[in-house]
Amino acid sequence: QAGLTQPPSVSKDLRQTATLTCTGNNNNVGDQGAAWLQQHQGHPPKLLSYRNNNRPSGISERLSASRSGNTASLTITGLQPEDEADYYCSAWDSSLSAWVFGGGTKLTVL
Amino acid sequence: QVHLVESGGGVVQPGRSLRLSCVASGFSLSSHNMHWVRQAPGKGPDWVAVIFYDGSGRFYADSVKGRFTISRDISENTLYLQMSSLRPDDTALYYCAREDGSPGGFDIWGQGTMVTVSS
Repeated sequence: QAGLTQPPSVSKDLRQTATLTCTGNNNNVGDQGAAWLQQHQGHPPKLLSYRNNNRPSGISERLSASRSGNTASLTITGLQPEDEADYYCSAWDSSLSAWVFGGGTKLTVL
Repeated sequence: QVHLVESGGGVVQPGRSLRLSCVASGFSLSSHNMHWVRQAPGKGPDWVAVIFYDGSGRFYADSVKGRFTISRDISENTLYLQMSSLRPDDTALYYCAREDGSPGGFDIWGQGTMVTVSS
């Protein structure tokens, strides 16, 4: 099944803003929006947002998600060392009746 | 406390079968869509299967269709993944995950159980 497209890596300085992107199509991101997950090495993924900008309790307000057409974005402001992680987007694909994931973006905080 | 605990992984030869279990606590499986998601070493998550909260639907990734079966026991609050005709590319850490909203996001994950398919 075709996945979502994410840039493999993004590097930003401490306290700067990073915007991660995720591109799909009309049947997934463009239809129901995307969810974002963060994963640190050796740990399960952690949900950051879903349906574009619904944040689970406990998730920092420095994170916000949005969507424009078939592209979803996750913006992290005031980058901290703990934000260094792998970030994955995911979405339900209504034509495939399947969930699809992006390949992930490794965020490095310099 | 909401928890998911997987078990049943191990080393298995190609072509053999294995059944994974995921015990849920703090919520009922009948109130959420439940998923299996796997992650091969060094790779990103790879969705495997879903069973809807009311049992009305089950869907699978193309790569496992016809070989894997997702099921649940509401009385035991346990999710299962029956895997057959296992292949080396099924080697991965298998997570069960709860979906919040429909469709929403995977908000609760277990720690995973490792499946290694090797002769």
